[in-house]
Amino acid sequence: DTAVSQTPKYLVTQMGNDKSIKCEQNLGHDTMYWYKQDSKKFLKIMFSYNNKELIINETVPNRFSPKSPDKAHLNLHINSLELGDSAVYFCASSRGQGAMRSEAFFGQGTRLTVV
Amino acid sequence: QKEVEQNSGPLSVPEGAIASLNCTYSDRGSQSFFWYRQYSGKSPELIMFIYSNGDKEDGRFTAQLNKASQYVSLLIRDSQPSDSATYLCAVNKAYSSASKIIFGSGTRLSIRP
Repeated sequence: DTAVSQTPKYLVTQMGNDKSIKCEQNLGHDTMYWYKQDSKKFLKIMFSYNNKELIINETVPNRFSPKSPDKAHLNLHINSLELGDSAVYFCASSRGQGAMRSEAFFGQGTRLTVV
Repeated sequence: QKEVEQNSGPLSVPEGAIASLNCTYSDRGSQSFFWYRQYSGKSPELIMFIYSNGDKEDGRFTAQLNKASQYVSLLIRDSQPSDSATYLCAVNKAYSSASKIIFGSGTRLSIRP
């Protein structure tokens, strides 16, 4: 069973389009994240949700809107896509702050290419 | 100052030698520290975690933590070509009731046969 799964794995789209990436975790974790990894491999946190509540928004443009219908799902919707949005987007989950083991478990990534 | 800093490398080490990877972090309130390995085109995978000062060994890997110096390191003994990857240092910052896991920019490690 895949612990953190995100779809699609590849996404190629034109500038100006709107797209969504879905993420689901079956680990029972309270916290879910979206990270963006650019061409230089830097993994930058975008959002963090804890039990469906937005906790962290790291100065991400308003065009990016995360949605968490329940604590097992965290989707990412992107409006008006720009060339600079091209990157690999990783969903991850972890236990909450008080847990002994709090490492992040990652999905397989979504490679977004905006043309 | 970046929250988590690593030397980007590449770090080239001969097969069988010890690879030493270093990381510093800025937030003294950080609770947990992790090392992830990422192969090209794959997602990061956890290889070590450490919470307390000192050394922690797991097979060929040893993580070292010095909270006073805000320093984390990873030693890989008997390096193998399969260890060639990017190694990401990560820190779980204390943030309310949620986790906030911040990554360094990664160190590219190349093991030469």
